[in-house]
Amino acid sequence: KQEVTQIPAALSVPEGENLVLNCSFTDSAIYNLQWFRQDPGKGLTSLLLIQSSQREQTSGRLNASLDKSSGRSTLYIAASQPGDSATYLCAVRYSNYQLIWGAGTKLIIKP
Amino acid sequence: KAGVTQTPRYLIKTRGQQVTLSCSPISGHRSVSWYQQTPGQGLQFLFEYFSETQRNKGNFPGRFSGRQFSNSRSEMNVSTLELGDSALYLCASLPDLSGANVLTFGAGSRLTVL
Repeated sequence: KQEVTQIPAALSVPEGENLVLNCSFTDSAIYNLQWFRQDPGKGLTSLLLIQSSQREQTSGRLNASLDKSSGRSTLYIAASQPGDSATYLCAVRYSNYQLIWGAGTKLIIKP
Repeated sequence: KAGVTQTPRYLIKTRGQQVTLSCSPISGHRSVSWYQQTPGQGLQFLFEYFSETQRNKGNFPGRFSGRQFSNSRSEMNVSTLELGDSALYLCASLPDLSGANVLTFGAGSRLTVL
């Protein structure tokens, strides 16, 4: 069964820290993986898209890595800021076109 | 380039009524997918349309339906509303079905059923 798991479900860290969010998937036959952030009551904003042939993608203070063999992706946030507080979701597009979502990690950055 | 537009943003209905939500994708995008998001169930896939054809459907009752028009705009309808249908309904668009592109979401329609 194709599943996506995000651990932890919630994370609280002081401002300025570097942090890592995890996304695990059960089937290595993926097409791509996308990270999103969602602010309370709002839509989802795409952060990074990693194709299956890529190992990582970077955008500003964000870096996402992909390891298909271990079924893992990580989202690294450098020098965290209170504005980074949000729920972060990963979505895996499998080779059969199915898009499977993780439940998300709620991140709180304490000033 | 305009993003994905969803209307209305907020609405309140009573049990038994029906509701229609609208989604206009990014210009040139031909795929529209719909999601329901609730605190308890998270993000759940409803259906996806491409070129006016339903391509995929999630595990929702027949009260939930949708369609896509020739200009790629999509509507979803929920009939005989139940309290449990209260949720944030999100739509997202893609240019094609290659799966290689960024999925872009609208701001959502917040439905409250009383």
